[in-house]
Amino acid sequence: ETGVTQTPRHLVMGMTNKKSLKCEQHLGHNAMYWYKQSAKKPLELMFVYSLEERVENNSVPSRFSPECPNSSHLFLHLHTLQPEDSALYLCASSQDNQGGAGNQPQHFGDGTRLSIL
Amino acid sequence: AQSVAQPEDQVNVAEGNPLTVKCTYSVSGNPYLFWYVQYPNRGLQFLLKYITGDNLVKGSYGFEAEFNKSQTSFHLKKPSALVSDSALYFCAVRVRRTSGTYKYIFGTGTRLKVLA
Repeated sequence: ETGVTQTPRHLVMGMTNKKSLKCEQHLGHNAMYWYKQSAKKPLELMFVYSLEERVENNSVPSRFSPECPNSSHLFLHLHTLQPEDSALYLCASSQDNQGGAGNQPQHFGDGTRLSIL
Repeated sequence: AQSVAQPEDQVNVAEGNPLTVKCTYSVSGNPYLFWYVQYPNRGLQFLLKYITGDNLVKGSYGFEAEFNKSQTSFHLKKPSALVSDSALYFCAVRVRRTSGTYKYIFGTGTRLKVLA
């Protein structure tokens, strides 16, 4: 139990569907992240939210739309995806102490395995 | 540019033998370094970290890592490998943005195979 829960664990969708991935953290952290993990490719950071504000958006296509309604929840809204978007999507959280030592690790969920037909 | 390198895609080691998974980094300032492990169909799990102090840090499951500032390395080690250690290992460095928030930079991962 990592304290970060992702749902659903598996998702199969067509290219014209709209779906959302959900992430919830129970650790009291103030920063949340979306990563994409594809086979034989490095872990790709997609979005970062710190104190519910998006602080990083790494050139992610607009068919991925993040939402962070509060410090415990993070969503990734998906629409009109492409086959190359099939991957494991990982959510993580951390305590982002702007004035502190900042020495805490990220905690990851178990991911959503997304398959685009 | 700030980066983390894991030069080996895969490391094979016999059970009971010592193992080393290599990591080097390139960052400005003092780095905060981390190792994570990923088992199949799971997220990344934190193993250990180096912030300051002793260069040899101990972590979960008998793993340790040695910080070497002059060689900018943070290699993961274990004295005696187990078959259950077979997994994907990631090295990461946490750096501070100019805004004062933090970002994590991950290596490409090294697959460890421990052979019975």
